[in-house]
Amino acid sequence: EAEVAQSPRYKITEKSQAVAFWCDPISGHATLYWYRQILGQGPELLVQFQDESVVDDSQLPKDRFSAERLKGVDSTLKIQPAELGDSAMYLCASSLGAGGSYEQYFGPGTRLTVT
Amino acid sequence: GDSVTQMEGPVTLSEEAFLTINCTYTATGYPSLFWYVQYPGEGLQLLLKATKADDKGSNKGFEATYRKETTSFHLEKGSVQVSDSAVYFCALRGSNYQLIWGAGTKLIIKP
Repeated sequence: EAEVAQSPRYKITEKSQAVAFWCDPISGHATLYWYRQILGQGPELLVQFQDESVVDDSQLPKDRFSAERLKGVDSTLKIQPAELGDSAMYLCASSLGAGGSYEQYFGPGTRLTVT
Repeated sequence: GDSVTQMEGPVTLSEEAFLTINCTYTATGYPSLFWYVQYPGEGLQLLLKATKADDKGSNKGFEATYRKETTSFHLEKGSVQVSDSAVYFCALRGSNYQLIWGAGTKLIIKP
């Protein structure tokens, strides 16, 4: 069964350092999502791509976070500089499309710890 | 705006007990409703869904009914197993197609 891949699974970094996460969606999925999940809370959407275009990045802290999906396939989320409050699970999800009938499939996530 | 409220955890039960995890929502229009499950060390998996009032979603012995009159989508299972231990998230998808999530309920099943 096809799965969403994410790497690394775990990342420890010092504050003020740069960190990057990678996501490879299920083949053929046009829509890709990055979520942040703080411990004890539900996921919060950071950015949504349709192919290579950003559809929604209203909750992305653009002063330090950036996301790209250059060829409309895999995607990278970057944080520079990392802050203590960025410690969280970063989840990637993909779906065939963005409409209401399409299910989102989630990767295993990257757990970030900022020290 | 749209929101989801679910019961706080952890919920601790013995094996074979009856499970209810409450979920209520606030939304304009007619959202679709979902339950996702997150097993330790894994990503979120869709457990079940319902797209209109009175629909019942079911999977792996779990059920939830879309109740518009009470704006609820409570998760139930008649006999839980140790393997059901996980965090359960209630979510809705509103008119903009984005998922709005509850805070999650940790379920612990003791043998």
